[in-house]
Amino acid sequence: EDQVTQSPEALRLQEGESSSLNCSYTVSGLRGLFWYRQDPGKGPEFLFTLYSAGEEKEKERLKATLTKKESFLHITAPKPEDSATYLCAVQASAGANNLFFGTGTRLTVIP
Amino acid sequence: DGGITQSPKYLFRKEGQNVTLSCEQNLNHDAMYWYRQDPGQGLRLIYYSQIVNDFQKGDIAEGYSVSREKKESFPLTVTSAQKNPTAFYLCASSIPSKGVTEAFFGQGTRLTVV
Repeated sequence: EDQVTQSPEALRLQEGESSSLNCSYTVSGLRGLFWYRQDPGKGPEFLFTLYSAGEEKEKERLKATLTKKESFLHITAPKPEDSATYLCAVQASAGANNLFFGTGTRLTVIP
Repeated sequence: DGGITQSPKYLFRKEGQNVTLSCEQNLNHDAMYWYRQDPGQGLRLIYYSQIVNDFQKGDIAEGYSVSREKKESFPLTVTSAQKNPTAFYLCASSIPSKGVTEAFFGQGTRLTVV
């Protein structure tokens, strides 16, 4: 059964304190892994797509990496505006166009 | 600006009523999706459509119906058969590239049963 587990559920950081969010997945043939940012009451905002183990993508203070079992979203020197829920989703080879989502990590960055 | 527009932002439904959530996109995407988001759960797929006049059930389609008469529009009806409709509903669209779906989302509709 396809499964996506994100940890931790919630994370509080001081401004400038770097950390990582984890997304562990079990899927029958990974077609793609996606990271989204979601602000309260809003729709998810697309951040990255990773296709294969060893791949890395960067955007401002965010860097996403992928292994055969998990993905990390590294946040370097975060700012309060980085506070949001970060969602991970996977697409399996056999899943047509369906994305399977984790429950997210709620990040709070304290000034 | 290109994007996905969901309306209304807030919707209240009485017991036994059907309600329709609107989703319009001007991104020229072929595929469109409806997801439901509940606290503590990941987004769950209700219905998706890859082309006009065709759609497929997702994981939680019971109590919902959709239509896809135009490429730009994919309305979702929450019927009285849906026993627990209070949730945040998200519409998305995509152009599958390399067989990979990069989905872009609207701002959501929060439905509450009163």
